Amino acid sequence: AQKVTQAQTEISVVEKEDVTLDCVYETRDTTYYLFWYKQPPSGELVFLIRRNSFDEQNEISGRYSWNFQKSTSSFNFTITASQVVDSAVYFCALRIMYNNNDMRFGAGTRLTVKP
Amino acid sequence: DTEVTQTPKHLVMGMTNKKSLKCEQHMGHRAMYWYKQKAKKPPELMFVYSYEKLSINESVPSRFSPECPNSSLLNLHLHALQPEDSALYLCASSQDPENYGYTFGSGTRLTVV
Repeated sequence: AQKVTQAQTEISVVEKEDVTLDCVYETRDTTYYLFWYKQPPSGELVFLIRRNSFDEQNEISGRYSWNFQKSTSSFNFTITASQVVDSAVYFCALRIMYNNNDMRFGAGTRLTVKP
Repeated sequence: DTEVTQTPKHLVMGMTNKKSLKCEQHMGHRAMYWYKQKAKKPPELMFVYSYEKLSINESVPSRFSPECPNSSLLNLHLHALQPEDSALYLCASSQDPENYGYTFGSGTRLTVV
């Protein structure tokens, strides 16, 4: 069975602070994808990143960076120099490769960035 | 066009009403999905259509009835809903059943009174 745990329910930071959102996953499969989605108040789920289980390279995209570590089954997401527009709920998700139907979301972390 | 469009954005319906939610995409995606999201909860999968055929039904009550008239359209027909069905209903699509990337619509916020 697959499971995604986002232990941080809510995080509040002041603008320009760095913040890391934690994601821990469980799966018995060796081939899988991990995702991060952002859900602003408007409701739409915005795709941020996908990693596959074969590629542990960390990734940086502007102020966003992701740290994938299979040894600890974690896929953490860091926002550098946070901005008010980063305020949203962030979901980590897991999908087994070759099984498009089984996308499991974590409970989400609500990030509030205060000016 | 890189969007998934959902209409209406908001819907209030009585328990005896019949209504439909609509989802449309013109990206050539061949898999489409309905998710239900309750407040402060993650999205939960309801239905998957792949190549216009229903490929999974996650034990959703029969008062929810999906329909995929063509590869660009996905409907969710609602009948005799309960107040606990009030939620955000999200539609998503992906290029094909094996493809990893989902594009989500902004959802229909449904209130059952």
